[in-house]
Amino acid sequence: AQSVSQHNHHVILSEAASLELGCNYSYGGTVNLFWYVQYPGQHLQLLLKYFSGDPLVKGIKGFEAEFIKSKFSFNLRKPSVQWSDTAEYFCAVNAGRNNDMRFGAGTRLTVKP
Amino acid sequence: DGGITQSPKYLFRKEGQNVTLSCEQNLNHDAMYWYRQDPGQGLRLIYYSQIVNDFQKGDIAEGYSVSREKKESFPLTVTSAQKNPTAFTLCATRERGGTDTQFFGEGSRLTVL
Repeated sequence: AQSVSQHNHHVILSEAASLELGCNYSYGGTVNLFWYVQYPGQHLQLLLKYFSGDPLVKGIKGFEAEFIKSKFSFNLRKPSVQWSDTAEYFCAVNAGRNNDMRFGAGTRLTVKP
Repeated sequence: DGGITQSPKYLFRKEGQNVTLSCEQNLNHDAMYWYRQDPGQGLRLIYYSQIVNDFQKGDIAEGYSVSREKKESFPLTVTSAQKNPTAFTLCATRERGGTDTQFFGEGSRLTVL
């Protein structure tokens, strides 16, 4: 069965620092890849997604992610974080006939003002 | 995201009691999902339904039951067999075609007294 690994459980950064959150998946076939964000007290929102084409995907709020097929990775990046980026971030992979979506364990990002 | 309503947001149940969580959507999406979000484990699939009158067990279906009598509604019943004392459950729908993105409700927190 496919699985998703997020390398960091909790990341603490200062404002203006650069961010990279790792995500690796195990499925070998064609996949759709997602990053969701959950701000404190709010529901999950789609940050960005990849399904084909340019492996560098740009999402909302200045986030981007790069799909590297050879490494089974879909890392999330942001050049300069803000305090408002404090949230939990989930990587997800969608593959298979039944549209089986698998989520990583999540990475909690704390940005210090 | 907008168009998915979960209720109630908070619910307390006594041991041995069954309770039902509501999920209603007006997005006209065929597929609906229930996830449980546990700290450090991300989202795990409880049940999903691709179409009306059809549903399948996910990874952690024990202690839960569902029905799908209408396209708009996918209620989740938490039975007394579900031993987890506190659970945050999320309902999601899936957009058909393209990247099959999932959209989420705001969640319901269930506590066992």
